[in-house]
Amino acid sequence: DTGVSQNPRHKITKRGQNVTFRCDPISEHNRLYWYRQTLGQGPEFLTYFQNEAQLEKSRLLSDRFSAERPKGSFSTLEIQRTEQGDSAMYLCASAQGGARGNTIYFGEGSWLTVV
Amino acid sequence: KNEVEQSPQNLTAQEGEFITINCSYSVGISALHWLQQHPGGGIVSLFMLSSGKKKHGRLIATINIQEKHSSLHITASHPRDSAVYICAVSYGGSQGNLIFGKGTKLSVKP
Repeated sequence: DTGVSQNPRHKITKRGQNVTFRCDPISEHNRLYWYRQTLGQGPEFLTYFQNEAQLEKSRLLSDRFSAERPKGSFSTLEIQRTEQGDSAMYLCASAQGGARGNTIYFGEGSWLTVV
Repeated sequence: KNEVEQSPQNLTAQEGEFITINCSYSVGISALHWLQQHPGGGIVSLFMLSSGKKKHGRLIATINIQEKHSSLHITASHPRDSAVYICAVSYGGSQGNLIFGKGTKLSVKP
């Protein structure tokens, strides 16, 4: 247990439905990251927050994807009008400070299957 | 575009063998991370390097900034080391954008 928790761990949804994933980072960490990982691939960066500010979101896969961190603590990642290609694992990570100088702690991931 | 390449993609070893996993990247970086991912998805950070060498137990990570290359070594490998090992780099001013390799799947047989 790294201290970063994600839920739900598994979600099966029908195409066209909206899904939301939640991430609770380590409490004192100001940086929170979202990644997506498909089978056989390394994680792919989506977006990140410093406190409540979303500092980079250009890598979000489409306008169907959005993320929030309203109080600078937990974060949510929402996918609207899900498509089968959205099936993947969505990983959250947190750190105190930036990735270039600090250890990043990952959650267990949230698996999404779109049927 | 910064590419991160790992080799080998798959590695099978006998218990006790010395293991090396390699990572190469294409542009200057500010830090390199070695991560371990077990089946089911959870990722654990093993090392964060910006120069030199680090050791933790049976794991050793080295980085050569000039050659843009890093290695992860496992001494006296054990079946519980079986996992996917991922190299990731952060570069430039981007504090959040880790670029990941595809991972090396290690299987250690008893």
